[in-house]
Amino acid sequence: AQKVTQAQTEISVVEKEDVTLDCVYETRDTTYYLFWYKQPPSGELVFLIRRNSFDEQNEISGRYSWNFQKSTSSFNFTITASQVVDSAVYFCALTQWMDSNYQLIWGAGTKLIIKP
Amino acid sequence: SAVISQKPSRDICQRGTSLTIQCQVDSQVTMMFWYRQQPGQSLTLIATANQGSEATYESGFVIDKFPISRPNLTFSTLTVSNMSPEDSSIYLCSVEGRTGGSHRTYEQYFGPGTRLTVT
Repeated sequence: AQKVTQAQTEISVVEKEDVTLDCVYETRDTTYYLFWYKQPPSGELVFLIRRNSFDEQNEISGRYSWNFQKSTSSFNFTITASQVVDSAVYFCALTQWMDSNYQLIWGAGTKLIIKP
Repeated sequence: SAVISQKPSRDICQRGTSLTIQCQVDSQVTMMFWYRQQPGQSLTLIATANQGSEATYESGFVIDKFPISRPNLTFSTLTVSNMSPEDSSIYLCSVEGRTGGSHRTYEQYFGPGTRLTVT
């Protein structure tokens, strides 16, 4: 069965430090999608990125970057020059196909605390 | 991405009563999902609701307890029936976003959630 592991329960860094959030997944599918979501203290889940299994190119969006490595089944998320507004819980998720539908398998989340 | 609203945003209910949560989307979507998120926990899928078919429930969730309606492509409701304190949680609806055509993204976009407290 599919599984997503976010081993880091909580990370605390000082503002402007770089921080990497780890995501390791298990799947038997050859085609799958990986996602990162942000859940700030306000509670609303915000979609950050989608990556499909055939695209191993790293992605950069401003201070955010994602490293997808199929060889290690990892999809790590790095925030460069962190800011207090980055404080949130971050979830990694993986598609699981169910007949003609799908669902997302969620990691436990990593709580990121950015201290001023 | 779709704009999703949920009503109510929060409620405090007596045990044994029922609450219906509404989810409204600003565009037509095929797939809608209902999740539960306990404080400090990850998301747990309750059911998938496709318009025109019965909702598909995940293990541990049954229709009698969590009936779902999906009358059209922009609206769904989740009812939490015969509530107990263990049902206290945040309930989230989400939809799958699509590109301009019919191409699927498998990205899910979430409503703001309904915070339910059962006393």
